[in-house]
Amino acid sequence: KAGVTQTPRYLIKTRGQQVTLSCSPISGHRSVSWYQQTPGQGLQFLFEYFSETQRNKGNFPGRFSGRQFSNSRSEMNVSTLELGDSALYLCASSFYSSSYEQYFGPGTRLTVT
Amino acid sequence: GESVGLHLPTLSVQEGDNSIINCAYSNSASDYFIWYKQESGKGPQFIIDIRSNMDKRQGQRVTVLLNKTVKHLSLQIAATQPGDSAVYFCAEKPNTGNQFYFGTGTSLTVIP
Repeated sequence: KAGVTQTPRYLIKTRGQQVTLSCSPISGHRSVSWYQQTPGQGLQFLFEYFSETQRNKGNFPGRFSGRQFSNSRSEMNVSTLELGDSALYLCASSFYSSSYEQYFGPGTRLTVT
Repeated sequence: GESVGLHLPTLSVQEGDNSIINCAYSNSASDYFIWYKQESGKGPQFIIDIRSNMDKRQGQRVTVLLNKTVKHLSLQIAATQPGDSAVYFCAEKPNTGNQFYFGTGTSLTVIP
């Protein structure tokens, strides 16, 4: 069974731009969670989508948004990029919502200059 | 928010020795804990978990110990191998809400 895939793997953007990241979960998984990982803060939860609905949301500004499609693939969008948004963005999929058993993708490394 | 911290940011051990990685958590209401391993260029990988009604859980070459009195979690790796070199971090889940809180990680280097 294929694992969680994320595209692109690396991205360089300029302050003020917007970016869209994509995550394809493991086949059959309906929950996708997004995390931001930085050296100083570790993994921080952004939001979770289950069956195309946002189920949980972390403490991030409204510039961070997401959506999930009927095939469970999910996208995350960050508008008006700031230097502090530079991070590794990870998605994790699971069969159930808020499941303890999450499988992480390799992440998208976003650099904002 | 929650505070999950690791005592040491880096740890170097000789191949074949045992490794101990520590984690402190702040919420006494947390009832579930996970240790993850993250290799360079990869996402976190589940290693072992433990619920708050347990003090110890063993896996293959790994043992997690939970001390609820001092809110401390540790991961022990037996006979550490070069393939164990990675960043290890713990995550806790309070018994209210659905969110996990993650530590920043300890980088383990195994010296051949």
